[in-house]
Amino acid sequence: DTAVSQTPKYLVTQMGNDKSIKCEQNLGHDTMYWYKQDSKKFLKIMFSYNNKELIINETVPNRFSPKSPDKAHLNLHINSLELGDSAVYFCASSQDRAGEQFFGPGTRLTVL
Amino acid sequence: GQNIDQPTEMTATEGAIVQINCTYQTSGFNGLFWYQQHAGEAPTFLSYNVLDGLEEKGRFSSFLSRSKGYSYLLLKELQMKDSASYLCAVHTNAGKSTFGDGTTLTVKP
Repeated sequence: DTAVSQTPKYLVTQMGNDKSIKCEQNLGHDTMYWYKQDSKKFLKIMFSYNNKELIINETVPNRFSPKSPDKAHLNLHINSLELGDSAVYFCASSQDRAGEQFFGPGTRLTVL
Repeated sequence: GQNIDQPTEMTATEGAIVQINCTYQTSGFNGLFWYQQHAGEAPTFLSYNVLDGLEEKGRFSSFLSRSKGYSYLLLKELQMKDSASYLCAVHTNAGKSTFGDGTTLTVKP
C-alpha cells in the first residue's frame, strides 16, 4: 500500500506550457505539503495545507497554484512553465502540523 | 528568518561512528527533525527532538540543545547503505519545517 503517491513520476514539457502534478495520501493525515528540490538538492517548502486550508505559502511565483479538493489530495498546477522550474517536486503529509512528514516518491519536472 | 547550518559532506569508514552536526537560529522553535535521503529517492524520517537530550533509536541517535541551537545525529556501526544525504529540519510554532541544505555522507569500506 502506497502511503503518499504522486503522478506523474516524470514530466518533460516545453517552456510556456501549463502542467499539473497530483498527490494523494491514504494515511488519514490532516496536513499536506509541496516541496521543491533543485539540482543542488536544496529542499524548500512551497505550500502547506491543513484540513484543506492553506496555512503556509512561501515566496512562490503566482504561476504556482495549489489546490486541495479534500484532506487526502493536494495538487499543484503550474502555469507558463519556465526553465528554472526544472526540479524534483515532493509532496508530503503529516498527522498534524507538528508531526513527522511522509514524503511521496517525487515528480521530476524537466522544462525544455 | 531561519539559519540552519550543517556540513556539506562527510566521509567515514564502515563500522565506525559518525556525528553530523546541525546548528540553527530561529524564532518560535518547536522541535527538530532528522531525515535521510538516498540519491534519487524521497526523504524518510529518522528522528524528532523537542526537549533537550539524547533520543536513541537503534544505530541512530539524535541530540538536541535548545539553549545552544544545536543538534547532532549520531550513526553507529556504519554500513555501506548509510551512504546518503542527512537533512536536519527545524520546526516552528507556525507549523513550518525548514530544511538545512543536507550533509552528504559517504561510507567507505
